[in-house]
Amino acid sequence: DGGITQSPKYLFRKEGQNVTLSCEQNLNHDAMYWYRQDPGQGLRLIYYSQIVNDFQKGDIAEGYSVSREKKESFPLTVTSAQKNPTAFYLCASSGLDGGEQYFGPGTRLTVT
Amino acid sequence: GQQVMQIPQYQHVQEGEDFTTYCNSSTTLSNIQWYKQRPGGHPVFLIQLVKSGEVKKQKRLTFQFGEAKKNSSLHITATQTTDVGTYFCAGLAVSGNTPLVFGKGTRLSVIA
Repeated sequence: DGGITQSPKYLFRKEGQNVTLSCEQNLNHDAMYWYRQDPGQGLRLIYYSQIVNDFQKGDIAEGYSVSREKKESFPLTVTSAQKNPTAFYLCASSGLDGGEQYFGPGTRLTVT
Repeated sequence: GQQVMQIPQYQHVQEGEDFTTYCNSSTTLSNIQWYKQRPGGHPVFLIQLVKSGEVKKQKRLTFQFGEAKKNSSLHITATQTTDVGTYFCAGLAVSGNTPLVFGKGTRLSVIA
């Protein structure tokens, strides 16, 4: 059953703590993406990767870090430097042709 | 950088009325994609348009790509309660190796 998974669905953290969100895909896609969604703001790109061991900053990369050690996995770390981390985080993957993106179910992060 | 504007931000309609959302890019696009996100869910790909002036239909949904490949629209005929959600357009620029840029979406409410 091919798809893209994110875990956990809900995550609660105290301010000042780093937290890592998981994203795994078995679609054999080369490209993977992390988006942040806030009410009324649409989807804002945090980081993306088109090949293993390489990634590029998106529009709002400050306070976040990623790694791409395996084709299937693209974890996102929300660091304590992120000023307003509470949001809905979506991971997606696609082929390199700029076509359809497949989204995971998302992780709702609440930082208090 | 590339911007994708989408209007309206919200639309409330009576069931059975038609609905249209419009998308405008600041740059010429290689393709435009449309996604639907149900409340509490994640974006799901609906369609991709590639050719200038292209029109595609999916049952009650009609998608158009402008002649200049900078704008697009999604029209829903005779809305149903199952159409509720946020509709996003996303454009892939012709120039450069940049990722898909999403509009902020149009949230559709359907009153039965």
